Amino acid sequence: EVQLLESGGGLVRPGGSLRLSCVGSGFSFKTFAMSWIRQTPGRGLEWVSTIGFNSGSTYFAESVKGRFTVSRDNSKDTVFLQMNDLRADDTALYFCAKNLATTRYFEYWGRGTPVTVSS
Amino acid sequence: EIVLTQSPATVSLSPGERATLSCRASQTVSNYLAWYQQRPGQAPRLLIYDAVKRATGVPDRFTGSRSGTEYTLTISSLEPEDFAVYFCQHRWDWPPEFGQGTRLDIK
Repeated sequence: EVQLLESGGGLVRPGGSLRLSCVGSGFSFKTFAMSWIRQTPGRGLEWVSTIGFNSGSTYFAESVKGRFTVSRDNSKDTVFLQMNDLRADDTALYFCAKNLATTRYFEYWGRGTPVTVSS
Repeated sequence: EIVLTQSPATVSLSPGERATLSCRASQTVSNYLAWYQQRPGQAPRLLIYDAVKRATGVPDRFTGSRSGTEYTLTISSLEPEDFAVYFCQHRWDWPPEFGQGTRLDIK
């Protein structure tokens, strides 16, 4: 059974940083791209970032480009989202997801970790 | 940027009825469209990809179809567990975008 478990969310002040982690199990982690998607009641689902299976390619939403980085450690079946210079509109529930094959579809999702940016 | 517009925003139906949910793209996304189901308090679940292909383990009462830039998710006979929010998503280009969702409520 595929499982994804996010951690690292919390309350942070504007301008602060957080590092989210997501551990995958039940599949060959090193062979799949992984993504981060966030959700808010107001803006719905918003794709944030994708990292290729071997970290050779990374992609970011314009809204986070230059502030967020994504990385992975295939020896630990873990993907990370480093979030810097956080803003109030980064407040959301952050999901990690396993991409479907080599596509930009999101086949399996974790339960999410909440991030709140507030003073 | 491609905009996906879902309709209706909310639909109320009874178990056993047929549900038809729509997602209209602002420009062509070819067949590169997916549907997801999100039950309360849960993560989204991939139902349909490439407009018409069912994801692993998805019951055959879920069917995707396409006519031009309009995509439809049909649930042939609603089960109690089908009452949820449904999102469409394209992968035509970067960034992949989601529709705003359709809430399917029990009547």
